[in-house]
Amino acid sequence: GAVVSQHPSWVICKSGTSVKIECRSLDFQATTMFWYRQFPKQSLMLMATSNEGSKATYEQGVEKDKFLINHASLTLSTLTVTSAHPEDSSFYICSASGTLRLNTGELFFGEGSRLTVL
Amino acid sequence: GENVEQHPSTLSVQEGDSAVIKCTYSDSASNYFPWYKQELGKRPQLIIDIRSNVGEKKDQRIAVTLNKTAKHFSLHITETQPEDSAVYFCAATSPGRRALTFGSGTRLQVQP
Repeated sequence: GAVVSQHPSWVICKSGTSVKIECRSLDFQATTMFWYRQFPKQSLMLMATSNEGSKATYEQGVEKDKFLINHASLTLSTLTVTSAHPEDSSFYICSASGTLRLNTGELFFGEGSRLTVL
Repeated sequence: GENVEQHPSTLSVQEGDSAVIKCTYSDSASNYFPWYKQELGKRPQLIIDIRSNVGEKKDQRIAVTLNKTAKHFSLHITETQPEDSAVYFCAATSPGRRALTFGSGTRLQVQP
């Protein structure tokens, strides 16, 4: 299957700082990337859909000014958590869909990034 | 939008027994139903998937069934092993939505 790499795998930051998480598709072009958030012992909740070259589409209840998403190339999407607070501590996982698989539903997940805000 | 419900939330079985996890979905346009296994702190791993033009699919000890009329699908694991212990998520998506909507997860514990 296709490879999606996410970095960093874990990060600890102070309250009020910003954190950037990168999601890369290593062996395919990802026209669409999805960002999920998973709180402990809970399911994966979609935060936003990122399309290359256009603005991200955010799910209801997700603040677009707090969670900045940039998908400037076909292999890279970034999620920046701005002015992070302890309640933003979570496991953030990206997933990508390639051109050929866009309409089949198959997604490939990054390793996830565990954010802890002190 | 799509809503996926999953039961049970926890499931404990003896090694060698079968385990069944059930999900229902709300959007009749959904046509792709994957199942993921997630170990603690790791990414979800696709274990099997089924599309709406198929009623059943099997891969060794794992099988999935789909009932489009009732809008439910199930995961069946036979001859369970301790390494099957993990959290399992069902998901659904439609061509229009593209993103996966996940169920709430089932924590499976296989007792040796």
